[in-house]
Amino acid sequence: SQTIHQWPATLVQPVGSPLSLECTVEGTSNPNLYWYRQAAGRGLQLLFYSVGIGQISSEVPQNLSASRPQDRQFILSSKKLLLSDSGFYLCAWSRDQGNPGYTFGSGTRLTVV
Amino acid sequence: GQSLEQPSEVTAVEGAIVQINCTYQTSGFYGLSWYQQHDGGAPTFLSYNALDGLEETGRFSSFLSRSDSYGYLLLQELQMKDSASYFCAVNGAGSNYQLIWGAGTKLIIKP
Repeated sequence: SQTIHQWPATLVQPVGSPLSLECTVEGTSNPNLYWYRQAAGRGLQLLFYSVGIGQISSEVPQNLSASRPQDRQFILSSKKLLLSDSGFYLCAWSRDQGNPGYTFGSGTRLTVV
Repeated sequence: GQSLEQPSEVTAVEGAIVQINCTYQTSGFYGLSWYQQHDGGAPTFLSYNALDGLEETGRFSSFLSRSDSYGYLLLQELQMKDSASYFCAVNGAGSNYQLIWGAGTKLIIKP
């Protein structure tokens, strides 16, 4: 069966510090991968998606970046965090065709102080 | 632009039936999905409608009318554990099954 791992679960970082969040998927190959951010009590904002190794599409211009160094690994990074980067970050995967459901990781709650 | 509209909050009584509506306006459409998210947790996939009509999965049902750009999630025999936020999302408004998300409906269940 397919599983998705995301870590860390919570993170408190000072303004201006770097960020690296990692997500890995098991049990499937060539998944579509996504990074979302959710502000408290709000909907999901798509940040990045990837359809293959090294292929990254950005939906929202910001100081975040994403990379996909391996087929089932997706990394969200920042060189210098802003207060506005605080939020709940979710990684998700989906198949390219067929079952349209997204499967989400457990999320990372980031607080920038 | 592309948008999905759903009520921000719905209140119901334990054991009752509740319907959460979703209307959408998107440039492309393959289907309508529903997700459940408990406070502090990640969204979980509930259902998907690609064709008009009702899809039933246990206590939950989802309906779609493509001609009306409208769908709803129906929850029956409400339990306290159903207290959560429910999101509708359109599949395929972009490429590669990207989802366009509604803002979510917070379902409050009272005993």
